[in-house]
Amino acid sequence: KNEVEQSPQNLTAQEGEFITINCSYSVGISALHWLQQHPGGGIVSLFMLSSGKKKHGRLIATINIQEKHSSLHITASHPRDSAVYICAVRLETSGSRLTFGEGTQLTVNP
Amino acid sequence: EAGVVQSPRYKIIEKKQPVAFWCNPISGHNTLYWYLQNLGQGPELLIRYENEEAVDDSQLPKDRFSAERLKGVDSTLKIQPAELGDSAVYLCASSLGFGTTQYFGPGTRLTVL
Repeated sequence: KNEVEQSPQNLTAQEGEFITINCSYSVGISALHWLQQHPGGGIVSLFMLSSGKKKHGRLIATINIQEKHSSLHITASHPRDSAVYICAVRLETSGSRLTFGEGTQLTVNP
Repeated sequence: EAGVVQSPRYKIIEKKQPVAFWCNPISGHNTLYWYLQNLGQGPELLIRYENEEAVDDSQLPKDRFSAERLKGVDSTLKIQPAELGDSAVYLCASSLGFGTTQYFGPGTRLTVL
């Protein structure tokens, strides 16, 4: 079992839909990152969370430390949101090394 | 003939962590270059080696960047500690000599979180 699991692996939505991507982890963490990767390999850091909730534009990230679970929500989705979304955690036992989920491929159709 | 080889192709680290990039130039090329390229901009020279000697490192931020080419072939570029602003593509190039055609590797895309 991977230490970080994302679901779904693939997600196709229609423009305007509300989207949720989930990340679960099995051990204690000190921080969790949500990353966005567009075709061509560029990676953008969206959020870093250690507790609670963060919002930026149409993106919302939440984390529940007790349940070892985080969600990334996209409201009013748009085709330009199409990308791979990656959850990465800093494990309490690994110093600063990040452990990555396998990513969620999101496609938003017009 | 193999071109300039770089590894890794992608690297993601958190700020304050160290990172190292490796370059293997084209066989027989005495001159090796390390460049930094930010998105939408041209490459900026960090350091130039002639064999194992760093002959131009005036643009290398020496407080956190270091490079070596111990045997005059492979080279490593190190950043310690990395800062958010170091996110960029790091390119290695080699040439037969200074002023001759430079051949570029594929680059290492560094993302600092």
